[in-house]
Amino acid sequence: DSGVTQTPKHLITATGQRVTLRCSPRSGDLSVYWYQQSLDQGLQFLIQYYNGEERAKGNILERFSAQQFPDLHSELNLSSLELGDSALYFCASSYQDGATDTQYFGPGTRLTVL
Amino acid sequence: AQKITQTQPGMFVQEKEAVTLDCTYDTSDPSYGLFWYKQPSSGEMIFLIYQGSYDQQNATEGRYSLNFQKARKSANLVISASQLGDSAMYFCAMRESTGNQFYFGTGTSLTVIP
Repeated sequence: DSGVTQTPKHLITATGQRVTLRCSPRSGDLSVYWYQQSLDQGLQFLIQYYNGEERAKGNILERFSAQQFPDLHSELNLSSLELGDSALYFCASSYQDGATDTQYFGPGTRLTVL
Repeated sequence: AQKITQTQPGMFVQEKEAVTLDCTYDTSDPSYGLFWYKQPSSGEMIFLIYQGSYDQQNATEGRYSLNFQKARKSANLVISASQLGDSAMYFCAMRESTGNQFYFGTGTSLTVIP
């Protein structure tokens, strides 16, 4: 158990819908990262927040957005869902924001878009 | 160019033997971190080992060691005394100090044979 929690564990929805994935980082960690893992794209970094501020952006679609709240939990919002958005979405957290900070991953949310 | 290259899509190893999983990386940043993660069939991402670009010695964590050859830009994972529970996907990852991007390789599927 990494100490990172993600809810829900599974999510099934329809195309065009909007969903919110939630992540609570390990106690004391200030950075939260979101990743998408799909069979064709592999593991892709989406976005990072550090202490409430956006710190880095990866391959995140405009239909996706995220935020980190004052209590440091984070939410990833996915809208206008398409079949291709079906994937495993991971949240990870680290203590700080440096290149040497180890990221600990949550169990993931498996999103299925029908 | 790929930032992280894992050239072995699948590997087999006999139980109790050692195995080396290859990883090469590409960066011009002098400061970076290298990480290995394990993803069993259950889906979670488990942190295994970390190597910093300025570390003089190879990292070790129990049965895991990292063969870090900076000039060759390689960071191979060595698993000693393989166990059946080591069967999983293994991902090499890198984070550069500039840009805050986190890059993952495509992974190597390891199967331990009894």
